[in-house]
Amino acid sequence: IAGITQAPTSQILAAGRRMTLRCTQDMRHNAMYWYRQDLGLGLRLIHYSNTAGTTGKGEVPDGYSVSRANTDDFPLTLASAVPSQTSVYFCASSTSPGQGAGYTFGSGTRLTVV
Amino acid sequence: GQNIDQPTEMTATEGAIVQINCTYQTSGFNGLFWYQQHAGEAPTFLSYNVLDGLEEKGRFSSFLSRSKGYSYLLLKELQMKDSASYLCAVLDSNYQLIWGAGTKLIIKP
Repeated sequence: IAGITQAPTSQILAAGRRMTLRCTQDMRHNAMYWYRQDLGLGLRLIHYSNTAGTTGKGEVPDGYSVSRANTDDFPLTLASAVPSQTSVYFCASSTSPGQGAGYTFGSGTRLTVV
Repeated sequence: GQNIDQPTEMTATEGAIVQINCTYQTSGFNGLFWYQQHAGEAPTFLSYNVLDGLEEKGRFSSFLSRSKGYSYLLLKELQMKDSASYLCAVLDSNYQLIWGAGTKLIIKP
């Protein structure tokens, strides 16, 4: 693993189903983030974690939950998927919140809810 | 509310220079980032400005004026591989990144 790994790469999901998007980083970054990216809109923050054991809500948290049991892993769960959750999901990390070298992004998960 | 504005799309010619503007209104300011995103790929970090002025990095430069809430990304000697979306993002007072919708740059031969 080098950087951030997201799985799956893409998924088609029936509405009402539960799904977990996985995110693992090997850079020992303290902060991790989940974004969704929709056409014509900027990246929107779903949830974040400034350090292992803590999480916070972003701009669009409804319908999503996260956990941060350790430094490396930050899974995103959709409890009961709806079509409006069709999007590209990016996991990102940084050494610490707001550090100037920027965020490192995973390659994304393209999710379609039908 | 917080807002970041940048043009939706720009077109430029290979070998030329292009300037992509970004204006912002945010609750606090702790730095401005530019990212490049090729179609179907993840954003990658280009530059970071926290003080007024120009930061140069090879063919790319980024400028910031905090009093005007304004930044631009300057790309010189354009290459076909520069065709991508360029995302402006501001770190607000809570150290959260606020993102613009991105500028799609099309390079023509």
